[in-house]
Amino acid sequence: EAAVTQSPRNKVAVTGGKVTLSCNQTNNHNNMYWYRQDTGHGLRLIHYSYGAGSTEKGDIPDGYKASRPSQENFSLILELATPSQTSVYFCASGDPTGQCQDTQYFGPGTRLLVL
Amino acid sequence: QQQVRQSPQSLTVWEGETAILNCSYEDSTFNYFPWYQQFPGEGPALLISIRSVSDKKEDGRFTIFFNKREKKLSLHITDSQPGDSATYFCAAMRGTGSKLSFGKGAKLTVSP
Repeated sequence: EAAVTQSPRNKVAVTGGKVTLSCNQTNNHNNMYWYRQDTGHGLRLIHYSYGAGSTEKGDIPDGYKASRPSQENFSLILELATPSQTSVYFCASGDPTGQCQDTQYFGPGTRLLVL
Repeated sequence: QQQVRQSPQSLTVWEGETAILNCSYEDSTFNYFPWYQQFPGEGPALLISIRSVSDKKEDGRFTIFFNKREKKLSLHITDSQPGDSATYFCAAMRGTGSKLSFGKGAKLTVSP
């Protein structure tokens, strides 16, 4: 069973502050993804990565940066947090070449509140 | 632009009934369609998926019906159980190893 963990699970930040959300996966998956989930919008892709050192823009990248320093870790960075970034953030990993091709395994989510 | 649309947004059925969740898409190059199930407070998890070469995929009480010509698919949950109460996301992918486009989700409630 794929294991994806996220930290912190809950975060309260102030407007204009810097926020870093962390994700770790122990399954040696090449691909990792960051989504946000909002009522009425479903899951929207922010950034993704094909491997260590790579980051790609998703569908809503504005206001977010991503970092993939290793195969296991993928971070989402909000340099200047705004209230509109209040949301639940999910990290996922997947390996398109593996047995469970194209399956994405999601973490438990991080609930972010920007005041 | 929403590439994957779901209907209804919410559905309530009685225990034992069949729940039907619908999904449609715009991009004819999509060829992989997973459904994810999400319980409150958890991340989504893959429930069942289908590739465009098939028109039906069954896994226990869960069945996907796929109509490539109309760019529509549906998830049928037979003999619905209260434990099936969750939000269901339809998604689509082009090729393999690419990014998924998710629908907005459908909240299913199964009443005992």
